Amino acid sequence: NAGVTQTPKFQVLKTGQSMTLQCAQDMNHEYMSWYRQDPGMGLRLIHYSVGAGITDQGEVPNGYNVSRSTTEDFPLRLLSAAPSQTSVYFCASRPIRVMVYGYTFGSGTRLTVV
Amino acid sequence: GIQVEQSPPDLILQEGANSTLRCNFSDSVNNLQWFHQNPWGQLINLFYIPSGTKQNGRLSATTVATERYSLLYISSSQTTDSGVYFCAVELASGTYKYIFGTGTRLKVLA
Repeated sequence: NAGVTQTPKFQVLKTGQSMTLQCAQDMNHEYMSWYRQDPGMGLRLIHYSVGAGITDQGEVPNGYNVSRSTTEDFPLRLLSAAPSQTSVYFCASRPIRVMVYGYTFGSGTRLTVV
Repeated sequence: GIQVEQSPPDLILQEGANSTLRCNFSDSVNNLQWFHQNPWGQLINLFYIPSGTKQNGRLSATTVATERYSLLYISSSQTTDSGVYFCAVELASGTYKYIFGTGTRLKVLA
């Protein structure tokens, strides 16, 4: 049982490049979400999904796209990277109906845009 | 929107000391969780505690949802307790959005 797996762990992009951050969970959780954490700050919600085919915006969605074609995967796409997107990105999942342990977070992807 | 405030913002302890971290929130919540972010950036789930009291070794937590606060107790602190402690809450309206607090940065000295 791997929990929430994020890849890559580190990435450096040039301004204007695109890339996809991968997130996969094996707990059959309906809900998945992406957060970003800027230095010295808490986490802010980017996008979330309550099931396959359903996504919604969080607090800071601009510059990011998501889709949810399967229960297991929730990729985050940066279409044209900007230095302001330099951050640590966390993926999280939880069951919708019954919460026993709360949210499960991945280990993060550290992204630098130069 | 909901405000989630943690206090104190910074805390320095000698190894072996006890401490209490507080999380205040401004609206009714369904879920509340405490996390420890270690110096390597990993988020460690400490407690899922929407109400009541839980204990896990040297750590315990209490949430009084009706009074909109939660407390995290650390007893006999160790240097490995260093890092940032976050509380996160989910609004009672069922929006599936975890709002993170501002964090308490803890440093435990040997």
